[in-house]
Amino acid sequence: SYVLTQPPSVSVAPGQTARITCGGNNIGSKSVHWYQQKPGQAPVLVVYDDSDRPSGIPERFSGSNSGNTATLTISRVEAGDEADYYCQVWDSSSDHNVVFGGGTKLTVL
Amino acid sequence: EVQLVESGGGLVKPGGSLRLSCAASGFTFSSYSMNWVRQAPGKGLEWVSSISSSSSYIYYADSVKGRFTISRDNAKNSLYLQMNSLRAEDTAVYYCARDLGTAMAPRGFDYWGQGTLVTVSS
Repeated sequence: SYVLTQPPSVSVAPGQTARITCGGNNIGSKSVHWYQQKPGQAPVLVVYDDSDRPSGIPERFSGSNSGNTATLTISRVEAGDEADYYCQVWDSSSDHNVVFGGGTKLTVL
Repeated sequence: EVQLVESGGGLVKPGGSLRLSCAASGFTFSSYSMNWVRQAPGKGLEWVSSISSSSSYIYYADSVKGRFTISRDNAKNSLYLQMNSLRAEDTAVYYCARDLGTAMAPRGFDYWGQGTLVTVSS
């Protein structure tokens, strides 16, 4: 089955740029979606189809995807961005599995 | 306003059954594929099942195949998950989520419910 690998944690100071990676075999050939989840809350879609943002998501959130790595970039990080972030793809090659990465805890210092 | 409200969670013994419901409002339910996603305590997200808008296409994660059944009633704007032969490892918060794409080609899940907790324990 397809595996998505995320770093367990990323730390960044307020106002700086956070980059959260999601690794997978030839992930550049798939569409990657990203979710933000704060404690006790449901996930929120922040980027879909590699780099599109749903309405209401700040432009500070952006995504890219190439080769074996997809990246969620959060510019001008704010304290309110502290959360868990998950990447997700659809693996059409293996019995239709929807796959999530293990998640990355973003800490704002 | 799009709303998804899950219900039906609770404490059940191993081997028992439970039926979750998800009531949808604020959008044309019958036009969207829907999903169940779960999250064990302190763990990450795990996709459970998808169903197409007309129920023609249904998919399950290997971990629940043969034990869980997803269904929907478009007339009642409702999504369901029948869970049988429950195990301790099924303990999780279960979310229903709307798909931007289709069950045949899922994309991002743009709306989620608040979740319902299922605890499997003797």
